[in-house]
Amino acid sequence: AQKITQTQPGMFVQEKEAVTLDCTYDTSDPSYGLFWYKQPSSGEMIFLIYQGSYDQQNATEGRYSLNFQKARKSANLVISASQLGDSAMYFCAMREGRNRDDKIIFGKGTRLHILP
Amino acid sequence: EPEVTQTPSHQVTQMGQEVILRCVPISNHLYFYWYRQILGQKVEFLVSFYNNEISEKSEIFDDQFSVERPDGSNFTLKIRSTKLEDSAMYFCASSETRDRVSNEKLFFGSGTQLSVL
Repeated sequence: AQKITQTQPGMFVQEKEAVTLDCTYDTSDPSYGLFWYKQPSSGEMIFLIYQGSYDQQNATEGRYSLNFQKARKSANLVISASQLGDSAMYFCAMREGRNRDDKIIFGKGTRLHILP
Repeated sequence: EPEVTQTPSHQVTQMGQEVILRCVPISNHLYFYWYRQILGQKVEFLVSFYNNEISEKSEIFDDQFSVERPDGSNFTLKIRSTKLEDSAMYFCASSETRDRVSNEKLFFGSGTQLSVL
């Protein structure tokens, strides 16, 4: 069964608009962490934002925020005021458990295209 | 900012040959990982490594794969006899510093593109 589901394989958004990238997850572990990574065409994996399962507030990092809805097991990434440089592949990921060596598993990704 | 370094950036090899992919994790990190990404597909976990031993490995990580931390800085992935389907981007990652603020995220290297002919 899929642990991380990203239902949008691709999205086209006009520059300066806000973007929401969907992510749902599946776990029975009460302790987990959720991540978003950006992969531009150059291929590297860039960490964007992290949300812990016990965090009371939604994580924010500059123009990125994570809309964490625990009951719905949803962790959508919101990018405000999109820029051309935001065009990339975006991966939602999850680590279950408390141990730092627990693996992070990735969703299939959403390819975001920002239009000028 | 400190970074994970991977060499080489591209490697071409013949089927059946051995390859070693090299990584230098961030110096005070304790947990190390290898992931791979077949072109256009999702990033797949291969193996995690802590305290000089494998913590967990996926079903992809069969007997043809091995990892090693031969000294205090390098972390290597060896594929003994490469197959065509091993062609992928291989990412090394590390995590956990003494700084609790940043200890949740994985830092990824820029990857090694392996092409098996």
